Amino acid sequence: GAVVSQHPSRVICKSGTSVKIECRSLDFQATTMFWYRQFPKKSLMLMATSNEGSKATYEQGVEKDKFLINHASLTLSTLTVTSAHPEDSSFYICSATSGTSLYEQYFGPGTRLTVT
Amino acid sequence: AQSVTQLDSHVSVSEGTPVLLRCNYSSSYSPSLFWYVQHPNKGLQLLLKYTSAATLVKGINGFEAEFKKSETSFHLTKPSAHMSDAAEYFCVVSDNSNYQLIWGAGTKLIIKP
Repeated sequence: GAVVSQHPSRVICKSGTSVKIECRSLDFQATTMFWYRQFPKKSLMLMATSNEGSKATYEQGVEKDKFLINHASLTLSTLTVTSAHPEDSSFYICSATSGTSLYEQYFGPGTRLTVT
Repeated sequence: AQSVTQLDSHVSVSEGTPVLLRCNYSSSYSPSLFWYVQHPNKGLQLLLKYTSAATLVKGINGFEAEFKKSETSFHLTKPSAHMSDAAEYFCVVSDNSNYQLIWGAGTKLIIKP
């Protein structure tokens, strides 16, 4: 149980285009989802927290107009990187919590974004 | 403010020998502590968690960790390393007042045959 999927696993896009990453909780309802960014040989950096049906809360320094987050249902959250630039290339990871396990996050496998 | 320090960026051990990955934390609250493992090209997996119950926590794959409040430590151990244990390990703290996890920088575990 507690499986989180991400799609796509890898994406290459051209500079200036937008790309959408999906995060789904497959066997539980995720009241809260999180989006992280992981730089090479570095730890995870929390980008934003989203609760179903409400606006995401972004961490300091994360541009909300560039990284659009939508949490439209209890099993799906999307991250759209708008007008992507090469510096947005990174590994993006989502996680989700259910109401029964408040502090335990279940992680997706991640999405490798490369902007050319 | 909370923080997590993983004392070693790399740890190299021979197969069959004990593993020790060190983690120190600081927290103003009673923390929850976690160890996650990240294998290459795979998602993060929870190894074990401490949430104010028993101080010695047993996890998956033979790993365990001991919460020592006096030392503000939560070191991860395994009696005998296996080649499949080679991965990146992250120590994480949560202050129990919100969902936010504070991540250590990670320790890369290398297993020598």
